[in-house]
Amino acid sequence: DTGVSQDPRHKITKRGQNVTFRCDPISEHNRLYWYRQTLGQGPEFLTYFQNEAQLEKSRLLSDRFSAERPKGSFSTLEIQRTEQGDSAMYLCASSWVRFEAFFGQGTRLTVV
Amino acid sequence: GIQVEQSPPDLILQEGANSTLRCNFSDSVNNLQWFHQNPWGQLINLFYIPSGTKQNGRLSATTVATERYSLLYISSSQTTDSGVYFCAPASGGYQKVTFGIGTKLQVIP
Repeated sequence: DTGVSQDPRHKITKRGQNVTFRCDPISEHNRLYWYRQTLGQGPEFLTYFQNEAQLEKSRLLSDRFSAERPKGSFSTLEIQRTEQGDSAMYLCASSWVRFEAFFGQGTRLTVV
Repeated sequence: GIQVEQSPPDLILQEGANSTLRCNFSDSVNNLQWFHQNPWGQLINLFYIPSGTKQNGRLSATTVATERYSLLYISSSQTTDSGVYFCAPASGGYQKVTFGIGTKLQVIP
């Protein structure tokens, strides 16, 4: 097992375009989290899945953001009509029994 | 939600020096992790330490949950220790970790 995997690592998009990121958690982990990190700040929680159920969403997750985890395995985070303020590192984490979170390498989004 | 304060915010060390990073949190927690974020943005797990003391090589951590703080000790620092250190306590039903702004460490030769 190679840990949490995120794809792509980097994404440059024009303002107004839609983007989708993928996260593959550690295989036996049933919990999955998305975070966003801007320069000089710590990661901020966006949303949480337990298996395929999305159980918590932050107020940071506007209606332009949607996340899915269709079969309780990989997850996708989509941003519609991107804005420059969406430029950030998007991090995915997974955990299992004792809630120890393991993070992926992140997807760095730049909106131009 | 839970508030996390880390100190110092910035730290410059000469290679070989020791340091202590502190994390205060506002509520009782069920678990707490320390991470090191490398220059490429990857968050590396250092410790899962809801209470007590753990050691891993040159690093050790102590959490006193009843007093709502945790400490990370770095001994004999190396240039590869540079980066940002985050304390991330977790609470609530879904145990999501909450981050402060971290301590930015620079170790110079």
